[in-house]
Order: sequence, then C-alpha cells, then structure tokens
Amino acid sequence: GAVVSQHPSWVICKSGTSVKIECRSLDFQATTMFWYRQFPKQSLMLMATSNEGSKATYEQGVEKDKFLINHASLTLSTLTVTSAHPEDSSFYICSANRDSDSPLHFGNGTRLTVT
Amino acid sequence: LAKTTQPISMDSYEGQEVNITCSHNNIATNDYITWYQQFPSQGPRFIIQGYKTKVTNEVASLFIPADRKSSTLSLPRVSLSDTAVYYCPLLNAGNNRKLIWGLGTSLAVNP
Repeated sequence: GAVVSQHPSWVICKSGTSVKIECRSLDFQATTMFWYRQFPKQSLMLMATSNEGSKATYEQGVEKDKFLINHASLTLSTLTVTSAHPEDSSFYICSANRDSDSPLHFGNGTRLTVT
Repeated sequence: LAKTTQPISMDSYEGQEVNITCSHNNIATNDYITWYQQFPSQGPRFIIQGYKTKVTNEVASLFIPADRKSSTLSLPRVSLSDTAVYYCPLLNAGNNRKLIWGLGTSLAVNP
C-alpha cells in the first residue's frame, strides 16, 4: 500500500491565487521530504528539500518566496504555490523515506492547472 | 552531481524479457543505483536498488558491473501493464539523499 500520500490529486485555480498541496508520510516519521515538479514528457526536477523544524533547502532557480514549504510535523509537509500563474501549471510530486536504509517513496502527485 | 543516460524508448511484446540499460559514467562512491517505474499522472514507484553486482527481487533484477558506470534493469516476462516510463536515478547516500533524474526510458509492451 501507499506509504506517502498527497492531497489534492488535482486542483484548478485562477491566476493570482495561492494553492496548498499536502504530503503525508503514512505510519512512519519523515524528518526530510522532497518536492519535485514534472512538466509533460519531461523528467522530475527537484525543487526543494523539506526539513522538519527548519527551513527548506531550495534548488538553484527555484523561488523560495513563490513556493513556500512548511514541514511542521514529522508526518506532514506542505507546498504552497503563491500568486500562481499559468506557467506554474505542472505535476507536483513529493517523496519521503522511512529511514536511511529504505528507498524513497513517492506520493501520487498533484496536477495543478492555473487558468 | 552524476547524471544518467538511458534509451529514450523501447518496444517489446508480452512474455518477453526486457533489459533496460542506464549509463552513469560519473557515479560517485556513495551513490546507489535505483530504478523507478512511472505511469502517466502518477508518482514514480520504486522497483529495485543496488550498489554493485546483482540484485534480484520479486519483480526485477538489477545487474551492475564492477566499474559501476552502467546498470541494467531486467524485467522477466513483461505484460501490457508494464508499459510505463522507467528511470534510473542515482541516490546520494549521504545526508541529503537526493535523487537526480534523467529522462527515462519509455517502454511499450505490445500484445
């Protein structure tokens, strides 16, 4: 069964609004979660590393003020796309792992469409 | 960070064995080789992971030569439901545990 859950699975919003995506680790605690973005027929691009209790680490070129990450508990990380624009439309995916010996498991992704 | 290179696409037929290769010439000492499967509009699903030699689980085998500069995912007796994109990201086993993704191989299994 799924070990990482994402919500919502899809969302449509108007340009200029903000959207929050949740990523939960099921039955295990994750001090670190990862957020990816994937455009059609392209690979996954790592956006940021979400660290429980501290600030997220963003990859080069990813605007931290636009993509707000909060990892307030050991089982939940949220990604908020602020002031969304059509070019932010993409497939957003999170991942986490139980421990250092376990593989990274991924959520089922969130399809964001900004109109 | 080490990058990976894979064939863009492959075709196969039901019941055949499929071998997908991945090139990672600049793999680091603390990198593990992982393989994931992804269906459209879904998150990647973990298949197998290895460091060197051969690893086998209930769904696949992973062959890694001594120099670790490449790896081969072997899927025995594929079915139509194995049609997907397959990725071989390298996992940094250090503190950051990042996965760096290439473009993947789109496998089409035909009846």
